[in-house]
Amino acid sequence: GESVGLHLPTLSVQEGDNSIINCAYSNSASDYFIWYKQESGKGPQFIIDIRSNMDKRQGQRVTVLLNKTVKHLSLQIAATQPGDSAVYFCAEALDTGRRALTFGSGTRLQVQP
Amino acid sequence: KAGVTQTPRYLIKTRGQQVTLSCSPISGHRSVSWYQQTPGQGLQFLFEYFSETQRNKGNFPGRFSGRQFSNSRSEMNVSTLELGDSALYLCASSPGGVYQETQYFGPGTRLLVL
Repeated sequence: GESVGLHLPTLSVQEGDNSIINCAYSNSASDYFIWYKQESGKGPQFIIDIRSNMDKRQGQRVTVLLNKTVKHLSLQIAATQPGDSAVYFCAEALDTGRRALTFGSGTRLQVQP
Repeated sequence: KAGVTQTPRYLIKTRGQQVTLSCSPISGHRSVSWYQQTPGQGLQFLFEYFSETQRNKGNFPGRFSGRQFSNSRSEMNVSTLELGDSALYLCASSPGGVYQETQYFGPGTRLLVL
């Protein structure tokens, strides 16, 4: 069943292309940032995270970039595959105080075969 | 390791009833957080439990409550259900260390209030 917003921004890419999903976060004091992927009917799946003392982190086919000056986070997916089609959420959190993830509204990625 | 499990996966209730949802965290994880996901509001934090104590709470009315057991399993309860409580309720677990850590989500419980 559908579990995400009906009017999400959508990024449509061709299979094999690189994808870049952007996120503007809200709290300049956030210490920790994370990207999740959510497929229809499932819970969010961890992709990659980054702490505020870093500006880049790489995983398998994914890279997260953090620009604290403009409060911007991006997720780069290399050689996008049809299985990457999903809704992607960024989330931010503080290390102290309220230890809750604050989620962005999400971006739908559609990969055309 | 087994992932986060949630039961039941689907529920249908009527207005005014109450409901209890269950979450079993990843083995060894001591922190359990609950989130509500709706198309209109997105993913919103409900509360977090650690060592059987509520450590953090989001901005939800008192009808939403939870608890955690000594084995770290958690339950959340919603009393006097309203139509607007229809949502996907997600549970996430993390080790529960000093600093913010990756939270791993379960598949969720989809609640429909009629």
